[in-house]
Order: sequence, then C-alpha cells, then structure tokens
Amino acid sequence: GESVGLHLPTLSVQEGDNSIINCAYSNSASDYFIWYKQESGKGPQFIIDIRSNMDKRQGQRVTVLLNKTVKHLSLQIAATQPGDSAVYFCAENSGGSNYKLTFGKGTLLTVNP
Amino acid sequence: IAGITQAPTSQILAAGRRMTLRCTQDMRHNAMYWYRQDLGLGLRLIHYSNTAGTTGKGEVPDGYSVSRANTDDFPLTLASAVPSQTSVYFCAAGEGHTDTQYFGPGTRLTVL
Repeated sequence: GESVGLHLPTLSVQEGDNSIINCAYSNSASDYFIWYKQESGKGPQFIIDIRSNMDKRQGQRVTVLLNKTVKHLSLQIAATQPGDSAVYFCAENSGGSNYKLTFGKGTLLTVNP
Repeated sequence: IAGITQAPTSQILAAGRRMTLRCTQDMRHNAMYWYRQDLGLGLRLIHYSNTAGTTGKGEVPDGYSVSRANTDDFPLTLASAVPSQTSVYFCAAGEGHTDTQYFGPGTRLTVL
C-alpha cells in the first residue's frame, strides 16, 4: 500500500538556527498534506497544512514546501527555539471520499541551547 | 473551548477485562477517529466515523469496537483486553478528507 516516510529520524540543531524536516510520500493522488508537532506525553498538534495546488505555504516561523514532481514535503522552522523540541510528522490524504490520513513515523527535533 | 477530551488519562487493566475509552468533542466536526500510537510504528488507525450513525474499520480494528450515537461522542471499547493492546490511544476529529484532524490528549493504557 501507499506510505509516508521521513528521510531523517532525528535532527539536532542549535537554538536560533533554522530547521528543515523532510518527508517523502509515495501516493501521487494525495491532495492534502499536514505537519504535526507532538511533545512528549501530549497529543499531536496541528502546525500547518498545504493542498496539492500549492507549492509553498507560510505560517508563523514555519514554512511548508511541496514538490509534487519528486513527491517530497518539507517543514522549515525559522529561528528554532527550545520549545520547538518535539517529534514532527507529516500526514497525507489520498483524496476522494476517503476521510483517512496516512501518517509518517516522525522526526525527533532536539534544540540545543 | 476544550476541543477534544479523552478519559481516562491513563489506565492499568488486567487481561481479559472489558474497557471503554471515552472521547468527546465540542467542535461539532462530522468525522472522528481512533488511533493507537506505538514506538516505531507511528499512528495507526483503529476505527473511524465519517458522520454520526456510521463507523468504519481502519488499519488495526481487531479487538476493538466503536459506536457513534451522536456527533460529539465516539467511545472505543476493548471487549477483552490483551497485553498487545498496551499503547497510547488518541482520538481525533475533523471535517473531511481535505481538512485537518485535531487530536485529543491521549489515553495511556497498560494491559497486564
């Protein structure tokens, strides 16, 4: 079946640096993508989403880039802060009437002070 | 606004016992979902409901059942718990396939 994966399972950055977390997806029919942040002991928290008719979307300190040609999704976090330390994972929906999302396994981001 | 609440926060359960995990939303979303999260396996869908009165099976439905009597509540029942059902369970709600899903805080279940 289709799957969503991550290139890097762990990422360690210095406070103030920019972080880039990558995600590869395999379903070319996917039309909606989401990035979630999950802190230890908490539920996944919505960060930002992007639809397949867009290449880039910006939020507060975060940017999501979508490259449909190579089926790649990335999350950029500007001026990373210690509070950004968490597991980040992407999710995709394969379109149609299917309400279900497919989740990647996650990347652990550690921000060093 | 609470969003999604789950109860209990955590539970230790003897194998063979019946257990219902509760989930309530105040966002009035049509769709609700139950996931389990295990180390190295990520989030896996157990059951879902696209709208009140309907339910469907996800990726790992065996040993679990759900009901959706109204829009706000989506309980998950383990009829006879087994140790392999030890996990963290998350409930989520959303509006459709091009809408995000919002998650509850989770229930940590240990089956001995």
